[in-house]
Amino acid sequence: ETGVTQSPTHLIKTRGQQVTLRCSSQSGHNTVSWYQQALGQGPQFIFQYYREEENGRGNFPPRFSGLQFPNYSSELNVNALELDDSALYLCASSPAGREPGELFFGEGSRLTVL
Amino acid sequence: DQQVKQNSPSLSVQEGRISILNCDYTNSMFDYFLWYKKYPAEGPTFLISISSIKDKNEDGRFTVFLNKSAKHLSLHIVPSQPGDSAVYFCAASRGNNRLAFGKGNQVVVIP
Repeated sequence: ETGVTQSPTHLIKTRGQQVTLRCSSQSGHNTVSWYQQALGQGPQFIFQYYREEENGRGNFPPRFSGLQFPNYSSELNVNALELDDSALYLCASSPAGREPGELFFGEGSRLTVL
Repeated sequence: DQQVKQNSPSLSVQEGRISILNCDYTNSMFDYFLWYKKYPAEGPTFLISISSIKDKNEDGRFTVFLNKSAKHLSLHIVPSQPGDSAVYFCAASRGNNRLAFGKGNQVVVIP
């Protein structure tokens, strides 16, 4: 039990549509990051938010965007979905004082784009 | 460009024996290395880490070894238990929470 919950767990969209994935982390976890895990691959860093500001981004286009809210919840939005966006999307949070990289992951949202 | 590489995608080991997982990285700026464990339908769970100023870190049955000159790290699990059957991911960072992951190793511990 990591205290990080994600919704929805599964969803199916069609190419060109938009999707919003949600994450709720524990109180005090003021850093949240999102990862994309394609089939057979390791998770890939999308971006990170700290105190509601984006403070790091991986090699993902601008149609991937996010928000972090004061209540420790966050969103990942993907516009103009492409077939290659089909993946497991993982949210991870971290409280202050932890060693670098010690993240608490949610179970993920599995997105299928048809 | 895969900065963290895990070869030998799967490993089978007898219960009680040692499991050894290997990981190589290419970016010399990485200074923090971690192993995560993932069960099906669950998110990755942090297992153990090591900073670049050390060459070994131990936590119970799990030991991580770091060879900076070779850009190589390994995870030893002794003794292996059936509950250790999972996918293990090697990850690296530059002292922050932005992790570069390998593709993972499937470990199966045979009772």
